[in-house]
This record gives sequence, C-alpha cells and structure tokens, in this order.
Amino acid sequence: DAGITQSPRHKVTETGTPVTLRCHQTENHRYMYWYRQDPGHGLRLIHYSYGVKDTDKGEVSDGYSVSRSKTEDFLLTLESATSSQTSVYFCAISEVRAATNYGYTFGSGTRLTVV
Amino acid sequence: DQQVKQNSPSLSVQEGRISILNCDYTNSMFDYFLWYKKYPAEGPTFLISISSIKDKNEDGRFTVFLNKSAKHLSLHIVPSQPGDSAVYFCAASGYGGSQGNLIFGKGTKLSVKP
Repeated sequence: DAGITQSPRHKVTETGTPVTLRCHQTENHRYMYWYRQDPGHGLRLIHYSYGVKDTDKGEVSDGYSVSRSKTEDFLLTLESATSSQTSVYFCAISEVRAATNYGYTFGSGTRLTVV
Repeated sequence: DQQVKQNSPSLSVQEGRISILNCDYTNSMFDYFLWYKKYPAEGPTFLISISSIKDKNEDGRFTVFLNKSAKHLSLHIVPSQPGDSAVYFCAASGYGGSQGNLIFGKGTKLSVKP
C-alpha cells in the first residue's frame, strides 16, 4: 500500500511476551490508527493518534499501548501478549479527523499469533 | 452495542447480475458513510462514500444508497464481476457518535460466480 508500511507482516510469539508492531507512513498525515480484524467482529479500533505524542483509546484498548514520537511512526505494543490478542492488525492513516468522502488508507496488515 | 451492522455474513451472486450489500446503523449522529473492499492478505481499500445530506452516490458500477429515516444504506454493484469477490465493510463516522473515527460493521463476504 503506497505510503504506509507495517512491520512485521507475520509474527508468532509466546504468551506473556511483549510485542511491538510498527506502522510507518510517508504521507505526512496527521492521524494514524490501529485496528484489529477478527472473524465475527469486523474491524475494531484499538488506539489512534492525532499528532506527535497525542494518542487516545479506541473501542478495544485494554492490553495495548501506543506511542508516536515522530509523525511518520505509530507503534502498537502488547505489554504481555495473550491468546485473545491473536488477530490481524491494521494500521491506517488520514489527513483529516473525520473520514469524509475519501476515508482512511490502510496498510497491508500484521498477522500476529500468540501461542 | 454495535452501531454499524451488516447482518449478512455472506452473499453469492452470478456474474453479470446485481449484488446488493446492506448495512444498518443506530446512531443518527453519523454524517458520513463509506464502503471498503478487502481481499485476503491485503488491507481494506476505500470504495465509495456518501454524505448524510445525500441519498445516492454513484461511481461506475458502484452505487451507494442512503435512507436516513430507516438508518439504512446499501451498496449496489452492477454488473457483478468475479474480481468483485471480496469482503465488503460498511463504515460510518461523525463527531457526535464516534469522535470522528470510523466505526466498521462486521463485513459481508461477496462471492461472484462465473
């Protein structure tokens, strides 16, 4: 996806270990988001950022933390991974807060498996 | 409490026919509605949107209809093509309801058969 990169693309980790997922953008967009996708639940917002060092919680933020020290990078950390956090994680970016007629641009996702 | 609902997990359509994907919402404060398309192992991609002040928006083979009184929107794909086979997510946003962030439905998997 042009302008937005997620790393790693796949990760397997053990229960109780810390995990950090990275989202990098080259679009200089102010807003960045982390969503998770699970069968039967669609896409749910974990955390979002509206500027450097400005972040807020989304719908399913428990067990997750985020950091944004630079405009281009938004990190999602699972402090102590649990099996319920096995999911596909998507990062998204947008120029404006409210999605108007062009919405968000999503990355390709990170598939995380916690064993 | 689910604010954006896609009650059909899947839909199968013959190539060349119309595909109609439905979405319901509960929050009258939403002011934009969007459809995203997602292929396996890829991120969702924006397809089409509609403002709450309109009742129809068309882009090529894709048309979105909004019925505010019923809190219902639908995506029509005409004619359907095998390449349209994907998961379609309905999403909504509005400062009153979601602080401007997109809220997604659970998705509908569309299969277009040749």
